[in-house]
Parts: sequence; structure tokens; C-alpha cells
Amino acid sequence: DAGITQSPRYKITETGRQVTLMCHQTWSHSYMFWYRQDLGHGLRLIYYSAAADITDKGEVSDGYVVSRSKTENFPLTLESATRSQTSVYFCASSETGTGPPYNEQFFGPGTRLTVL
Amino acid sequence: AQSVTQLDSHVSVSEGTPVLLRCNYSSSYSPSLFWYVQHPNKGLQLLLKYTSAATLVKGINGFEAEFKKSETSFHLTKPSAHMSDAAEYFCVVTSDSGNTPLVFGKGTRLSVIA
Repeated sequence: DAGITQSPRYKITETGRQVTLMCHQTWSHSYMFWYRQDLGHGLRLIYYSAAADITDKGEVSDGYVVSRSKTENFPLTLESATRSQTSVYFCASSETGTGPPYNEQFFGPGTRLTVL
Repeated sequence: AQSVTQLDSHVSVSEGTPVLLRCNYSSSYSPSLFWYVQHPNKGLQLLLKYTSAATLVKGINGFEAEFKKSETSFHLTKPSAHMSDAAEYFCVVTSDSGNTPLVFGKGTRLSVIA
């Protein structure tokens, strides 16, 4: 199926555990992004990637790790989950990223993560 | 630094009446601006974008927005609300900050009453 998918859609974990959220896109977009959405904060950027093996920190990157060995995949890992990382996580992709022309970002359906 | 303020956290309208969702921005340069919509349990979808061409921008599903530089505003409007318009709406401004290429507003929840 074409598009951008995330897995799992729902995840419950415990404090201190490692968790990996998966993101896969079929458009061969160069740029991929990870956001978290929390009530009262809108969306905040965690990490982004301009191409395979090129990643950059976003506004709220502490406690998160990313990799991008293939253009189509952009997994996000919480190395030691904390309760403050309970959130909804969105992956997005775009033909362009951090400068003009500002093309649309296409968003996945999200992963709802609960850390107990 | 760029910022965006959505002036209402919640707007409620009756079906068939006009919709106005307000957005003000601040920027040290001429930004691009977007409106995204998020339906419950879904990802965000682009409604429309302004990129320094026409100041009145038309989007999908009958929505439009007008870029007013003098007022630093980018309000979203629709002449007649449908039940299917009930969703969360985000105003977004581009940024020249390396770690925040897009700055999202906190969102406005639109309720449509039958």
C-alpha cells in the first residue's frame, strides 16, 4: 500500500524499558520527521532526516535516538522510557525539508505510547 | 524566533454557518504558512499553504485563508460548516531555526452542531 505507515498503533510499556516505534513510507521522499503531540503543546519536532544516514535533532530530542539506514524507514527508539514520554508520536515525510520550497508534509496515523 | 498563536482553543458553530479560525504569527522574515487538519485518531492533512504568491489561498473542502502581513495574521475561513469539518486545526509557520523547521500552533478544536 502506498503512503506512510506507523507501527505499532498502540503501545504500553514500563519505565526504563527500550521501545522502538517504526515508520515506513513508500514515496521515496528524502525528508522524514518524528513529532510528539501533547495536549497544550501542539506538535513538537523530535528528530528529522534529510536522507539515509543523515539525521538532525529537533526541539525535544533528549531521550530519543533515530537511525535511517534506508530511505523508506525511520525508526524512533526510546532508550529508557520515562513517564514524560507518554504521548502520541507522528511520523511524517516530505520531498523537501528545512528550506523553500516548503512542500507538504505527509503524516502517518500516529502511535499512542503509554509509559507506566 | 518564529512563533504562531491560535487565538481560540475551541470554536463551536452550527451546521451551515460560517467558520473562522484565527491565527497570528511572528517572524523575522517572510515565512510560509500552512493550515493542517486532524480528524480524531488520524494523522494531520494539509488544508492549504501560503508561499508568497497570492495572499488569498484556497484549500480543500471549501476552506480558504488570507495572509495579512500588516496584521501578521493567517485566519482560516469557510462559508458554511459541515458536520464532517469537526476536527482539530493547526496553523503552522516555517522557521529559519535549524532544529524547528516548522512551528506548530497549539491547535483549535472545531465542533459543528447539527
